[in-house]
Amino acid sequence: DVKVTQSSRYLVKRTGEKVFLECVQDMDHENMFWYRQDPGLGLRLIYFSYDVKMKEKGDIPEGYSVSREKKERFSLILESASTNQTSMYLCASSPPGRVIYEQYFGPGTRLTVT
Amino acid sequence: KNQVEQSPQSLIILEGKNCTLQCNYTVSPFSNLRWYKQDTGRGPVSLTIMTFSENTKSNGRYTATLDADTKQSSLHITASQLSDSASYICVVSKAAGNKLTFGGGTRVLVKP
Repeated sequence: DVKVTQSSRYLVKRTGEKVFLECVQDMDHENMFWYRQDPGLGLRLIYFSYDVKMKEKGDIPEGYSVSREKKERFSLILESASTNQTSMYLCASSPPGRVIYEQYFGPGTRLTVT
Repeated sequence: KNQVEQSPQSLIILEGKNCTLQCNYTVSPFSNLRWYKQDTGRGPVSLTIMTFSENTKSNGRYTATLDADTKQSSLHITASQLSDSASYICVVSKAAGNKLTFGGGTRVLVKP
């Protein structure tokens, strides 16, 4: 059974703080993704990684960076948190391939920036 | 522009009744379509996945249909239960490029 875990379920940070969101998967998947989910906007892709140290920008990368030093771990970094980054953040992983057939999600981190 | 539109945005049904959710897409070239169930405050969980050649797939009380010609899919919930209260998200994958397009979801509330 694929398991994707995220470091925190709920997080409250102040404006300007540097924020790290961690995601770990245990299925040896090459692909990992970070999304944010906001009411009425659905899931939007921030970044994805198809291999260690490889990353590609998604649809909304501004204000975020990522790190993938190990295959099982994909980190999302908010360099200087702002209130408009208050959202639900979802990590996902999928097996390798140019076409995504299955994607497994973590439980999500609800981040509030005050 | 690649889009996935879901309807209705929300619906309320009585326990034991059936309901159908709709998903229309313009994503091209098409590879596959998935329906996810997302409980409040949780990550999405896959219900069904269909490729171009499949036009129906079931997972327990959930049955998804796909018409690739009209670019429409539906998710039918039979004999709804309180635990079916969730958001249901339609996701379409392009045939190349690791690109997914998500619908906005339909929020279903099952009342006793």
